[in-house]
Amino acid sequence: GVTQSPTHLIKTRGQQVTLRCSSQSGHNTVSWYQQALGQGPQFIFQYYRKEENGRGNFPPRFSGLQFPNDSSELNVNALELDDSALYLCASSLVGQGASHEQFFGPGTRLTVL
Amino acid sequence: DAKTTQPPSMDCAEGRAANLPCNHSTISGNEYVYWYRQIHSQGPQYIIHGLKNNETNEMASLIITEDRKSSTLILPHATLRDTAVYYCIVRVNNAGNMLTFGGGTRLMVKP
Repeated sequence: GVTQSPTHLIKTRGQQVTLRCSSQSGHNTVSWYQQALGQGPQFIFQYYRKEENGRGNFPPRFSGLQFPNDSSELNVNALELDDSALYLCASSLVGQGASHEQFFGPGTRLTVL
Repeated sequence: DAKTTQPPSMDCAEGRAANLPCNHSTISGNEYVYWYRQIHSQGPQYIIHGLKNNETNEMASLIITEDRKSSTLILPHATLRDTAVYYCIVRVNNAGNMLTFGGGTRLMVKP
């Protein structure tokens, strides 16, 4: 399955944070979502074969990396209080005949003080 | 992706069928209807998807109207563990496309 680390994180405003995701084996696409309390997940961006392949309405201080070993990172610079949320990653296999589902991890709960 | 409309909350008695409606009146011909659910403090979980025919799997059934402007997710025998937020999403059938989540329906299964 998809795993994420850490499960919880507390940072202060202005700091930088790195969240990690381990995709399902063999998947070539990872997406990141931000979920504020009481709302549905909002798409941040997607990486396909290590390249950013689509971005939602999030500023450039949100960035990512995708590695060949099925792992990926979400980096957020200059943290703001509104960045407090559950961050979800989802992996999927894109390609002819591939599955259509995105498989989500359990999320990382980020609190910015 | 087309927009969907779902009731914010519903209750269901344990053991009874839960019928969750979704309106998607602006759905395009190449867009599928997907359902995900999110149990408290967990990531969303895929349930089922369909294009125009009714679909059934081990978790649920999906009924799509003939004009495809609405659909219903059916949990045939709801249990307490089915208490969750259920999201109806319409999207082109490509795993590379982002998912656009709305507010979903909070289903409370009661004993």
